[in-house]
Amino acid sequence: TQLLEQSPQFLSIQEGENLTVYCNSSSVFSSLQWYRQEPGEGPVLLVTVVTGGEVKKLKRLTFQFGDARKDSSLHITAAQPGDTGLYLCAGARVSSNTGKLIFGQGTTLQVKP
Amino acid sequence: DAGVTQSPTHLIKTRGQQVTLRCSPKSGHDTVSWYQQALGQGPQFIFQYYEEEERQRGNFPDRFSGHQFPNYSSELNVNALLLGDSALYLCASSYTGGSNQPQHFGDGTRLSIL
Repeated sequence: TQLLEQSPQFLSIQEGENLTVYCNSSSVFSSLQWYRQEPGEGPVLLVTVVTGGEVKKLKRLTFQFGDARKDSSLHITAAQPGDTGLYLCAGARVSSNTGKLIFGQGTTLQVKP
Repeated sequence: DAGVTQSPTHLIKTRGQQVTLRCSPKSGHDTVSWYQQALGQGPQFIFQYYEEEERQRGNFPDRFSGHQFPNYSSELNVNALLLGDSALYLCASSYTGGSNQPQHFGDGTRLSIL
């Protein structure tokens, strides 16, 4: 059983469309991080959310942390081909003081021109 | 300012062999975590090193061991390699490893077991 369930696993859309990726858990996290990973490279940190209900924006990307700190979402507006990649959510559990990250399975996004 | 660097980038081994992977953390970081990422999956936590000691360990067998040096760099050792050990091994560094400290990843070592 995956502690962090990420959906959808695959998404193929046309340039200009909007999309939302979800990251859900029954556990509470002290923080949740979103990464983007391209083939042959390591994950690159996009954002860290810490406070329940927090919303952060990074250009066309909007990240939200659930009020209960059990879930998060990533919304992309007007997707571009350059947004193509693997999106990973990762949480640090409240019970851990070391920052051990638990990752979701990832969402592979393909944006077609 | 160099980010996290890992070596080698690719490695091919056969079953039963042993391997050592290396990681240099981002400047200013003192904590190193290792993750295993199977194809099409999210990374899985192996262990974390801080002050030259293993501070936390994930659900990996004792064949996986590590070390951290006084300059904060780290090694991951895997003994008695199995086919299932084929994966991308990622190193992440952070400052003090607190639960809300962002972790910065290297580009990984792609390990293939024949």
